[in-house]
Amino acid sequence: AQSVTQPDIHITVSEGASLELRCNYSYGATPYLFWYVQSPGQGLQLLLKYFSGDTLVQGIKGFEAEFKRSQSSFNLRKPSVHWSDAAEYFCAVGRLWTSYDKVIFGPGTSLSVIP
Amino acid sequence: EPEVTQTPSHQVTQMGQEVILRCVPISNHLYFYWYRQILGQKVEFLVSFYNNEISEKSEIFDDQFSVERPDGSNFTLKIRSTKLEDSAMYFCASHGDPTGANVLTFGAGSRLTVL
Repeated sequence: AQSVTQPDIHITVSEGASLELRCNYSYGATPYLFWYVQSPGQGLQLLLKYFSGDTLVQGIKGFEAEFKRSQSSFNLRKPSVHWSDAAEYFCAVGRLWTSYDKVIFGPGTSLSVIP
Repeated sequence: EPEVTQTPSHQVTQMGQEVILRCVPISNHLYFYWYRQILGQKVEFLVSFYNNEISEKSEIFDDQFSVERPDGSNFTLKIRSTKLEDSAMYFCASHGDPTGANVLTFGAGSRLTVL
């Protein structure tokens, strides 16, 4: 069965510092991987996705993520964090064998940014 | 940019009452989903819906839950007799890619509070 773990429940970084949010997945085949962001009281916004090809993917708001098959990881990175990046971040994995397959979310990492 | 619209944004109800949460997916999308997020917890899959029938449902989606696409635009989630543990944020999502590269677009959510 698909599963996603995000080892860090909460991370605090200083504004301008670099950021890495960890994500590990369990899946028997090549997964489709996503990062979503949820600002307080808001819905889920897609940051980036990985389907195939280049293992380093670029997303919106200056985020990038790297797929490492050998480590079953899909970590999210940003070189310089802005105060507006404070939010909840969810890694998700999809099977996508059919067009109506579901996406499974990890537990989320809450990011706080210190001015 | 097209968006998924959910109403109401917040509903308070008494235990045992019926609740209907409404969603208007993006107009050319064909695949619809409901997810829920209990406060402080992860986003959980409830149900997927395509071609006017349920494609997949989770263990959470028991007989108290039902989904319907009553017309060409709305997609509803009904909880027949609400329980305290149904209190959560409910997210509707949709996608329109029949190839399976289903990047879900989420609505802002409907917060349900059961008293």
